[in-house]
Amino acid sequence: DAGITQSPRYKITETGRQVTLMCHQTWSHSYMFWYRQDLGHGLRLIYYSAAADITDKGEVPDGYVVSRSKTENFPLTLESATRSQTSVYFCASSESRGLEGYTFGSGTRLTVV
Amino acid sequence: GENVEQHPSTLSVQEGDSAVIKCTYSDSASNYFPWYKQELGKRPQLIIDIRSNVGEKKDQRIAVTLNKTAKHFSLHITETQPEDSAVYFCAASRGSQGNLIFGKGTKLSVKP
Repeated sequence: DAGITQSPRYKITETGRQVTLMCHQTWSHSYMFWYRQDLGHGLRLIYYSAAADITDKGEVPDGYVVSRSKTENFPLTLESATRSQTSVYFCASSESRGLEGYTFGSGTRLTVV
Repeated sequence: GENVEQHPSTLSVQEGDSAVIKCTYSDSASNYFPWYKQELGKRPQLIIDIRSNVGEKKDQRIAVTLNKTAKHFSLHITETQPEDSAVYFCAASRGSQGNLIFGKGTKLSVKP
């Protein structure tokens, strides 16, 4: 599990600010994912990436931007944070999209005030 | 689109009893079904999974069953212990190889 790390662990930001959440994995997994977890909604996919420079939208991509210049890193940026983006964000990685389980990072709790 | 329904949303059992959590999915092409356990404040962790060519899989006190015809799968925990208390998520692949879609979770409480 130490092979996928997220930072920061906690973040408080103001409405309208740009904030970037970091995700790093050491397994060279092809696929990386960003989920948000909210009470009553479970885990919802924001964006995913199949390889370096290949990204695609998930269920709830509005207000978020991702990039993947290197296989091991997959940062998530909130361009102009809103209160509705207060959530716990989990990064995950896997060798496949739907043929094996994902390994999750320890999460970032983001509060937008 | 693809949907995964999970029931119940909360489940309370006495230590030593069995617990069953059920999920249904809508895409008949789904072929991979993992289960995750998330303890309070921690990350979701894979505890067991099953593929569409298998009807049942066991790992010590936990088991998963799959009914492809009815498009539902279940997690069974026997001889529950207080440390089994957590939120459990089911998931299904979108189609044969697509992203995992997660259910909304079941909060299991095991009372000593």
